[in-house]
Amino acid sequence: EAGVTQFPSHSVIEKGQTVTLRCDPISGHDNLYWYRRVMGKEIKFLLHFVKESKQDESGMPNNRFLAERTGGTYSTLKVQPAELEDSGVYFCASSQGKPEIPTGELFFGEGSRLTVL
Amino acid sequence: QKEVEQDPGPLSVPEGAIVSLNCTYSNSAFQYFMWYRQYSRKGPELLMYTYSSGNKEDGRFTAQVDKSSKYISLFIRDSQPSDSATYLCAMSGDDKIIFGKGTRLHILP
Repeated sequence: EAGVTQFPSHSVIEKGQTVTLRCDPISGHDNLYWYRRVMGKEIKFLLHFVKESKQDESGMPNNRFLAERTGGTYSTLKVQPAELEDSGVYFCASSQGKPEIPTGELFFGEGSRLTVL
Repeated sequence: QKEVEQDPGPLSVPEGAIVSLNCTYSNSAFQYFMWYRQYSRKGPELLMYTYSSGNKEDGRFTAQVDKSSKYISLFIRDSQPSDSATYLCAMSGDDKIIFGKGTRLHILP
């Protein structure tokens, strides 16, 4: 069974440009999460989809970040325009149920490393 | 005060030693406690899961939760070089999961 896949694995862009990160969750997982890890900091929650609906987007830093999950399958996270402080590793994770309970293990992708110059 | 505190290390120990990793937290609403392991250039993977207080053992790994002290631990017995990774504690109430910074662990052959 394929795990969570993310693309690209690494993106280097200049300040002001746009980048779109993609996440393909494990098939059948309704819950999809985006997290971000800035260097030296902890992994922080960005948002949570249940199928195609945004359940919680309280962690999104500002309106330069836009996440979508059309059709409830893969998700994209767009940063426009990118700023220097957006550099970090963006992780996508999926789960079948709520990950806070025993049946809902959170499965992570390998992350998309974003470098903004 | 951060919700979850974890010493980032690095922590280096010789092969075969017992490793102790720990986290403290401030939110008394947390009930679910997890340890994730992350190898270099990979995503975190769930290692251990504990609900409320108590101990849980899985092979060489033991997770402990002391809710009265707001303190959780992960013990690794007979450590192996393959255990070298970053270990992240994570916890939640009935809301989003909060992660610690992770402790980088090196097991020296």
